[in-house]
Amino acid sequence: ETGVTQTPRHLVMGMTNKKSLKCEQHLGHNAMYWYKQSAKKPLELMFVYNFKEQTENNSVPSRFSPECPNSSHLFLHLHTLQPEDSALYLCASSQATSGYTDTQYFGPGTRLTVL
Amino acid sequence: SQQGEEDPQALSIQEGENATMNCSYKTSINNLQWYRQNSGRGLVHLILIRSNEREKHSGRLRVTLDTSKKSSSLLITASRAADTASYFCATKETSGSRLTFGEGTQLTVNP
Repeated sequence: ETGVTQTPRHLVMGMTNKKSLKCEQHLGHNAMYWYKQSAKKPLELMFVYNFKEQTENNSVPSRFSPECPNSSHLFLHLHTLQPEDSALYLCASSQATSGYTDTQYFGPGTRLTVL
Repeated sequence: SQQGEEDPQALSIQEGENATMNCSYKTSINNLQWYRQNSGRGLVHLILIRSNEREKHSGRLRVTLDTSKKSSSLLITASRAADTASYFCATKETSGSRLTFGEGTQLTVNP
């Protein structure tokens, strides 16, 4: 266990559904991240939060909406997704975003399938 | 090509053999990290090497960094079937705060 949990682990949704992914870290970190991992592609950084403030949005479509109510929790709200959004969504945390030794700790991921 | 490219894309070896994976990158970096991912799971941090370091060891892992060639290698000695996983390098650029991951090397260790 890395100290980062994600729920649900698997999610199947239709294109008109609204769902949310949840991430929680128990490491006392101040930075949290959402990544998308598709088959045969490098990890794609989606959003970065540092001390609850969004510091990076990597040109992610608006059908993905992040929320960070505190440094321990991160949500990804999903709405009107497309089949190509099917992927493994990974949450990660780190001490901060600007540290020289900024190791990231990953959750197990949510396997999302959009029908 | 992308920052943090691993080579080879796939590697299959027998248990007990050594496995070497390489990573090349393009920009100046603060550090380079290696992560491991079992199928369908999250990534697990293995080792970090700073830009002013040339070699680092952790158990059966040995990482080298050549900043003049912008490359790194990960050596796993005396491999085990449990080492079967994907291995990713990630670079922390000097000019930014994000980690940039490569596409990974899929290592299969046959019993």
